[in-house]
Amino acid sequence: EVQLVESGGGLAQPGGSVRLSCAASGFIFTTYAMSWVRQAPGKGLEWVSGISNSGAATHYADSVKGRFTISRDDSKNTLYLQMNSLSAEDTAVYYCAKGGAVIVTPLDSWGQGILVTVSP
Amino acid sequence: SYVLTQPPSVSVAPGKTAEITCGGNNIGSKSVQWYQQKPGQAPVLVISYDSDRPSGIPERFSGSNSGNTATLTISRVEGGDEADYYCQVWDINGDRRGVFGGGTKLTVL
Repeated sequence: EVQLVESGGGLAQPGGSVRLSCAASGFIFTTYAMSWVRQAPGKGLEWVSGISNSGAATHYADSVKGRFTISRDDSKNTLYLQMNSLSAEDTAVYYCAKGGAVIVTPLDSWGQGILVTVSP
Repeated sequence: SYVLTQPPSVSVAPGKTAEITCGGNNIGSKSVQWYQQKPGQAPVLVISYDSDRPSGIPERFSGSNSGNTATLTISRVEGGDEADYYCQVWDINGDRRGVFGGGTKLTVL
């Protein structure tokens, strides 16, 4: 059974940084691309970033490009999202999601999500 | 950037058929996914590649995609189908970015 468990969320200061982690199990992590998707309170889903199965290719939404960095540690079966220069607009539940062999594939499994709140 | 447009809400009586649309410029040339999200829960993939149902998704869920509109159809609607539904595509024009529609709240009357 695929399991994705996010951690690292909480309260952050405007201009501050947070690193999210997503521990993966139940599948061969190195085989699959991964994405982060966020959902602001009461709002819809927003794709944030994706990384290829090898980690060689990364992609970002315009809203986070230059501030967020996605990465993966295949030895730990873990996906990361380093979030810098945070603003109130980054307040959201962040989901990690499993894709297919390449980034541009359906997101077929999702974690339970982790809340990041940016506030003074 | 690519934009997907969904109606904010759709209402349907139990046992009837619900259709949720997703509009986008020449969306028929892209593969469309549909996700179901119930309150307080993570999204669940219900349709991939326009019309494929992942394992465990009831046959009552189906999808189509042509021209400028993709459609999620839910037959014989049940109370448990009440949820938010999001369409999604990958925009590969230049870079590779995920795009979600604004979501449609399905209400079962």
